[in-house]
Amino acid sequence: DIQMTQSPSTLSASVGDRVTVTCRASQDITSWLAWFQQKPGKAPKLLIYKASSLESGVPSRFSGSGSGTEFTLTISSLQVDDFATYFCQQYKSYPLTFGQGTNLEIK
Amino acid sequence: EVQLEESGGGLVQPGGSLRLSCAASGFTFSDHYMDWVRQAPGKGLEWVGRSRNKANSFSTEYAASVKGRFTVSRDESQNSVYLQMYSLKTEDTAVYYCTRSDGSGYIAYWGQGTLVTVSS
Repeated sequence: DIQMTQSPSTLSASVGDRVTVTCRASQDITSWLAWFQQKPGKAPKLLIYKASSLESGVPSRFSGSGSGTEFTLTISSLQVDDFATYFCQQYKSYPLTFGQGTNLEIK
Repeated sequence: EVQLEESGGGLVQPGGSLRLSCAASGFTFSDHYMDWVRQAPGKGLEWVGRSRNKANSFSTEYAASVKGRFTVSRDESQNSVYLQMYSLKTEDTAVYYCTRSDGSGYIAYWGQGTLVTVSS
């Protein structure tokens, strides 16, 4: 199985900050990576697919980059609505696997 | 508008069975892979299983943790996908999400989830 490791597990930041979340895969997944945002009590929401493609309707302050085994999700200027938990997920091979999540908190 | 609505969750005893349903609308159901993903209380996301689309003969894949106990099936006439769960364990307690995949198999849409609690 491909293991997905996110860092950090918790990130404290302020409105307007630029933040980056990292996701590492245990083997090469080329660009078969997605990022999701989840708020408490809600279903996850797709933000990014194929490592860097922005899902329709997602604000342009979100961006994704990387390939192979190292990937990043960047929020260019944090808004109040962005405080949530973020997950990466590989879909290169079965079983599909998720990172453990990064909880983005208000500083 | 894509809509996925799960139902069938509830309380079941260890060793019991349960069938979850997901009614899909707003898209051509047979064109898409459909997955089940679960989330134990306060934990992360775990992929459970997949039904591929018609072009791929609706073939299935499963996580090792549920293989042989869970079955994903679909009814094209009802635009529904199901998760039949047998031999349930306490560690199967989770919110179960029905999802639709797009493109090269990334999960694009999620239902609101249904809670399954396995407890005596």
